[in-house]
Amino acid sequence: NAGVTQTPKFQVLKTGQSMTLQCAQDMNHNSMYWYRQDPGMGLRLIYYSASEGTTDKGEVPNGYNVSRLNKREFSLRLESAAPSQTSVYFCASSTPRGPSGNTIYFGEGSWLTVV
Amino acid sequence: GESVGLHLPTLSVQEGDNSIINCAYSNSASDYFIWYKQESGKGPQFIIDIRSNMDKRQGQRVTVLLNKTVKHLSLQIAATQPGDSAVYFCAENRVRNQGGKLIFGQGTELSVKP
Repeated sequence: NAGVTQTPKFQVLKTGQSMTLQCAQDMNHNSMYWYRQDPGMGLRLIYYSASEGTTDKGEVPNGYNVSRLNKREFSLRLESAAPSQTSVYFCASSTPRGPSGNTIYFGEGSWLTVV
Repeated sequence: GESVGLHLPTLSVQEGDNSIINCAYSNSASDYFIWYKQESGKGPQFIIDIRSNMDKRQGQRVTVLLNKTVKHLSLQIAATQPGDSAVYFCAENRVRNQGGKLIFGQGTELSVKP
C-alpha cells in the first residue's frame, strides 16, 4: 500500500526559481492538504482541498499556489522561491471519522532548501 | 491568541517506565484531538484520537486523557520501548466536518534510555 506519495524528497533551489511539489494518494480520500514544518515547530497548514475541484487557504498560504488535478493528486507550486520557504513539506490526505474530525495520513516529506 | 501547545519540549524516560506527554489547548470549541508520532526523517504517524464527548480512550499501550475543564490533553505510553523514541505532537481539529484544519502543537521529543 503506497498511501501518500510525494516527490521530490530533496530539492535545492536558488532564490527566485520556481518548482512544483507533487503529491498523490491511492486511498480514495476526498480531502488533501499541504503542510510545512519548520525546526522546533509543529506543522502549519498551507492549503487544503476538501474535494476535487476545490482549494482553500490555510494558515500560511502566501508564496504558494496549489492545484487539485484530480481526486488522487494535489500539487504545491512555489512561483518565486524565497529563503523563508526553506522547510520540510508534507502532503496529507484524510478520511472522515464521523460528525467531527478526520484521520489524516501524511507522506514522507519533501526537504526544500532555498539559497 | 488561540494555540495548541505542549508543556515540555523534551522528555527522557527509562526503558520499561511509563511516559506521559502533555498538551494544552485554548479553544473550548475544539471537539476532536489527535496524537501523532513523528520519527526522524518521516512524516507524522497517527497514534490515537479522542472526541470531546469522551475523557479517556485506550489503544495498544497508549491512553489519551482529555480534561475539558482545564483544556488539557495527555498521552500515556505504557512500558516505554526504544522504538517509542520520537517527537509527539498533539493536534486539534477546530472545524467541524471540514477536517484537515489541524492546529499542531510544538511537539515533545521523547527519548528512551536503555
